[in-house]
Amino acid sequence: KAGVTQTPRYLIKTRGQQVTLSCSPISGHRSVSWYQQTPGQGLQFLFEYFSETQRNKGNFPGRFSGRQFSNSRSEMNVSTLELGDSALYLCASSTGYGYTFGSGTRLTVV
Amino acid sequence: DQQVKQNSPSLSVQEGRISILNCDYTNSMFDYFLWYKKYPAEGPTFLISISSIKDKNEDGRFTVFLNKSAKHLSLHIVPSQPGDSAVYFCAALSSGNTPLVFGKGTRLSVIA
Repeated sequence: KAGVTQTPRYLIKTRGQQVTLSCSPISGHRSVSWYQQTPGQGLQFLFEYFSETQRNKGNFPGRFSGRQFSNSRSEMNVSTLELGDSALYLCASSTGYGYTFGSGTRLTVV
Repeated sequence: DQQVKQNSPSLSVQEGRISILNCDYTNSMFDYFLWYKKYPAEGPTFLISISSIKDKNEDGRFTVFLNKSAKHLSLHIVPSQPGDSAVYFCAALSSGNTPLVFGKGTRLSVIA
């Protein structure tokens, strides 16, 4: 059974650019959540999608957005990148109480 | 407002001894708790969980204890091994399609 796949693994972008990250959930999982991890801040919830609809949203600015496709794959987009957006972005697919995480995308903004 | 708190950023334990990682929560609606282990540049890996209807769950060397009245849970690792060195995250869920909420993590170092 394939796990959660996140692409790309690493990204370097310049301030002001925009970026799109991708997440393919475990087959059969309809819920995908996104988290941002920065040093000392733990995992902060960005948003959750279920059956192509945003079900929950964390406390992040509107520059952070996401979507989910009919095959449950999800993308998140960050526009007008800032240095503080440098982080590990993690995606989790879930069913019920079981959450499985991908390996993450390490985004560096220079 | 942090709903899940791990007040110890780091913990150092000798190999073979017990590691105890603590977690407190404020939201009384949480009814399911999970512990994840995380290595640098990797995603968190599920370790063990506990439902609010239980006060203890055991899986091999890992035991989680839940004290609902104190809104406190702890993860015990016995015996600790060098491979257990990682960051451990406590997380909580409430029923009703709410997101999984994490603490800030505790870095465990097991010294040989």
